[in-house]
Amino acid sequence: GAVVSQHPSRVICKSGTSVKIECRSLDFQATTMFWYRQFPKQSLMLMATSNEGSKATYEQGVEKDKFLINHASLTLSTLTVTSAHPEDSSFYICSASGPKGYTFGSGTRLTVV
Amino acid sequence: AQSVTQLGSHVSVSEGALVLLRCNYSSSVPPYLFWYVQYPNQGLQLLLKYTTGATLVKGINGFEAEFKKSETSFHLTKPSAHMSDAAEYFCAVSEGTSYGKLTFGQGTILTVHP
Repeated sequence: GAVVSQHPSRVICKSGTSVKIECRSLDFQATTMFWYRQFPKQSLMLMATSNEGSKATYEQGVEKDKFLINHASLTLSTLTVTSAHPEDSSFYICSASGPKGYTFGSGTRLTVV
Repeated sequence: AQSVTQLGSHVSVSEGALVLLRCNYSSSVPPYLFWYVQYPNQGLQLLLKYTTGATLVKGINGFEAEFKKSETSFHLTKPSAHMSDAAEYFCAVSEGTSYGKLTFGQGTILTVHP
């Protein structure tokens, strides 16, 4: 139980385009979803916290207009990287807060060329 | 504010040797502490967590950690390393709740050599 499915696992996009990453909680309701970013050989940095039906709360220094987060249902949250640039290349991981604590997605490797 | 410091970005042990990964935290309220393992290009898997109660916490794959409030530490140990333990390990803290936002340490890469 407590599985979070994150897609895509890898994506390569051209600079200037937008990319959407999905996280679905398969067998539980995730009232809160956390989105993290991880640079190579570095730790996870929290980008934003989203609660179902509410606007996301972004951490200091994270551009809300660039990283759009939607949490429209208790089982789905999306992160859209808008007008992506090479410096947005990173590993993005979601984490859902549920009855068994935190469950992490498997991550998305974004490469912007 | 909460923070986590992992001492040693790289730890190397021989197969069968003791594994010790160090974690110190800072929290203004009673902390909830976690250890996660990450394999390359994958998400995080929970090894163990401390919420309340017994300070020695046993986790999966033979790992355990002890919460020491006086030392603000939560070191991770395993008596005998296995090759499959090679991965990156993260210590994390959540303030006052097991469902709030996590703050992660910098990570420790564990290498196990034959």
